[in-house]
Amino acid sequence: NAGVTQTPKFQVLKTGQSMTLQCAQDMNHNSMYWYRQDPGMGLRLIYYSASEGTTDKGEVPNGYNVSRLNKREFSLRLESAAPSQTSVYFCASSITGPGNTIYFGEGSWLTVV
Amino acid sequence: EDKVVQSPLSLVVHEGDTVTLNCSYEVTNFRSLLWYKQEKKAPTFLFMLTSSGIEKKSGRLSSILDKKELFSILNITATQTGDSAIYLCAVGRGGATNKLIFGTGTLLAVQP
Repeated sequence: NAGVTQTPKFQVLKTGQSMTLQCAQDMNHNSMYWYRQDPGMGLRLIYYSASEGTTDKGEVPNGYNVSRLNKREFSLRLESAAPSQTSVYFCASSITGPGNTIYFGEGSWLTVV
Repeated sequence: EDKVVQSPLSLVVHEGDTVTLNCSYEVTNFRSLLWYKQEKKAPTFLFMLTSSGIEKKSGRLSSILDKKELFSILNITATQTGDSAIYLCAVGRGGATNKLIFGTGTLLAVQP
């Protein structure tokens, strides 16, 4: 079972470049999420999508955009990368509704130089 | 402001020891508390707790929630080197979607 798949796994960007992180889930989950993880900060929610066709800001949305392309896919775009966006990015999904387990992808390591 | 605080930040033990990891929270409209284990890559789900006083158990791991005192503990008995990981606590709030608030995690290192 693939679960949550995200690409690329590793990427180095120059300041000002743009890129898109792709995420797909095959569990028929309604809700999808993008988190970033930084040392000492834990996992912080960037954007989420409660269902196909909807997206909402999380704790740290500045500098990012998202697209819920269909039920399976939720992409995260950095329009003009900054060194502060160097982080590990995790995509996740869950059945809609509070109290349901979130399943994570394996992470994308992004370095902005 | 909602927050989830884990302690200790890091812990070094020897194989066979028993450890207790703590998670306290101040979150509006609490619905659930989840524990995850993160080794090299993605966090993997351990437990979800919604009711006070009911222990969840899986092998050598167990967890319990106290909704009155707003905390949870994760116990690991007879630790093994494979238990070395970051343990994350997250709290889910009520509402239409399951946005989780994560603590910063406890780094556990189990030495042979």
